[in-house]
Amino acid sequence: DMKVTQMPRYLIKRMGENVLLECGQDMSHETMYWYRQDPGLGLQLIYISYDVDSNSEGDIPKGYRVSRKKREHFSLILDSAKTNQTSVYFCASSSGQNSDYTFGSGTRLLVI
Amino acid sequence: GDQVEQSPSALSLHEGTGSALRCNFTTTMRAVQWFRKNSRGSLINLFYLASGTKENGRLKSAFDSKERYSTLHIRDAQLEDSGTYFCAADQGGRALIFGTGTTVSVSP
Repeated sequence: DMKVTQMPRYLIKRMGENVLLECGQDMSHETMYWYRQDPGLGLQLIYISYDVDSNSEGDIPKGYRVSRKKREHFSLILDSAKTNQTSVYFCASSSGQNSDYTFGSGTRLLVI
Repeated sequence: GDQVEQSPSALSLHEGTGSALRCNFTTTMRAVQWFRKNSRGSLINLFYLASGTKENGRLKSAFDSKERYSTLHIRDAQLEDSGTYFCAADQGGRALIFGTGTTVSVSP
């Protein structure tokens, strides 16, 4: 069953704490993405990874970094969480251009 | 400006009725993908279109890259169709560009 798996599903962190969101895919897709979804804003792109150690900033990368050491895993890291990073985070993967995207189930992060 | 304009922002339907969601694009897009975010928060892939139309059950989507729009039609709406629907455009660039979503509420 081809899918994108995100962990955890729900997370509560205090301001200033480190946050690690993990994403895995079993389709050998080269490209992976991290988006955040906020009401009225759709999904906004945080980072793209084109393959292992080949990452690129998206539209709203500030306050985030990523890690891709294996093709099947793509992590989103918040080194010092802020309250405005409270959001729902979605990971996705695709096999490249002219192909559809597969999304994970999302991680709901609350920063207090 | 926004490259993907999705409308309406909210839609209320009675069971058995239908309606359409629309996304307009400010530039030529290579393809469009439609998703539904269900009550559990998961993004469900509905359609991926590079042109023409696709149909799946009570849902039908069309994409016209020349006219710069895509539609998603829901017919014979059921309660489980409730959720937030997103279109996302593939400009041939780095990643999908999302619309702001349409919250669909289906009532008995």
